[in-house]
Amino acid sequence: DIQMTQSPPTLSASVGDRVTMTCRASQSISNWVAWYQVKPGKAPKLLIYKASSLQGEVPSRFSGSGSGTEFSLTISSLQPDDFATYYCQQYNSFHLTFGGGTKVELK
Amino acid sequence: QVHLVESGGGVVQPGGSLRLSCVGSGFTFRTYDMHWVRQAPGKGLEWVAFIRFDGSSEEYADSVKGRFTISKDNSKGTLFLHMSSLRPADTAVYYCAKHRPVPDWGQGTVVTVSS
Repeated sequence: DIQMTQSPPTLSASVGDRVTMTCRASQSISNWVAWYQVKPGKAPKLLIYKASSLQGEVPSRFSGSGSGTEFSLTISSLQPDDFATYYCQQYNSFHLTFGGGTKVELK
Repeated sequence: QVHLVESGGGVVQPGGSLRLSCVGSGFTFRTYDMHWVRQAPGKGLEWVAFIRFDGSSEEYADSVKGRFTISKDNSKGTLFLHMSSLRPADTAVYYCAKHRPVPDWGQGTVVTVSS
């Protein structure tokens, strides 16, 4: 299976900060990467698909980039509603795999 | 707008069975490959099973192989997950999800395996 290594596990930041988290795939996956925001008791919310496409009504402060094996999610100006855990997912393969998550917490 | 609505979760004893359903709307269900994914309490996301758009092939995580069966009724726009020989480790929120190009997910259904 394709391994997704996500970093950092925890990210401490303040409102207004620019934050970036990364995912590295164990083999090339083209641009078949999605990013999700997960809050306790809620379903994962799709933010980014195909590495850089913004989903639906997701705010434009979220952006994704990368291709091949290196991917990143950036929040340009952190808002109070953004404190959550974020997961990357590869869907190049039918065997979906996920990163271990990045918890964004208040500094 | 894509909607995926799961149902069928509940509390079941170890060794028991359960069938989950996922109704899809807002997209051409019969043309999409689909997945089941789960999240156990306090854990990360875990892929469970995959089925081709026409039901012609299936794939399973090793943790559920031989116990879970995924199926798809394109005439009813519904995805299923039949779970048997359930274990406490199967306790999780179960989500159905579309495959490429946009991996939309449903809101999930809770499965608790406990005596």
